[in-house]
Amino acid sequence: DAGITQSPRHKVTETGTPVTLRCHQTENHRYMYWYRQDPGHGLRLIHYSYGVKDTDKGEVSDGYSVSRSKTEDFLLTLESATSSQTSVYFCAISEGVGPYEQYFGPGTRLTVT
Amino acid sequence: DQQVKQNSPSLSVQEGRISILNCDYTNSMFDYFLWYKKYPAEGPTFLISISSIKDKNEDGRFTVFLNKSAKHLSLHIVPSQPGDSAVYFCAARSNSGYALNFGKGTSLLVTP
Repeated sequence: DAGITQSPRHKVTETGTPVTLRCHQTENHRYMYWYRQDPGHGLRLIHYSYGVKDTDKGEVSDGYSVSRSKTEDFLLTLESATSSQTSVYFCAISEGVGPYEQYFGPGTRLTVT
Repeated sequence: DQQVKQNSPSLSVQEGRISILNCDYTNSMFDYFLWYKKYPAEGPTFLISISSIKDKNEDGRFTVFLNKSAKHLSLHIVPSQPGDSAVYFCAARSNSGYALNFGKGTSLLVTP
């Protein structure tokens, strides 16, 4: 298994509070991704990073920001959490230049009350 | 707009039989296709992939077929085992980017 950890694994927070999720990898892969999984939607890309300090938006980026100051860490921040951001969040990594497989972390279940 | 579609939310197959999971796509720029398997409370696990220059890729019990003209791919599992019971996601990569587009998933149940 790829060395990817996510923290916390579970979090309950209140509407309007800031939340930061962390993804840590030990594979030294260049590319890192944040997805959310919701019933009826599959996996949707929030943001991704193609190098330290290099990030770009995905399909559902509104309300989220990311940062990557080190190769191994990719942070996802909800500046002011809303109930619509209740979801399971997955981090993924890839080498980026063929093969194109992405390897996923175990996920963080976030509940915004 | 969903560019990768898995039109069957669920599938039930008897142990030992073939499981066929289908996936359709709309974007002709997709050049690489992947299947992921996901158990509850775990992250998706990469299963098998295929490049758009091929029409078949096989790995043990798993075979993926690609029909570019129909923009259709399928995953065959032979023989199916109870441990194959999971949600299967089809994903595609565009030749203009690195992100993957995922379908909504098909829940496979393999019964003894």
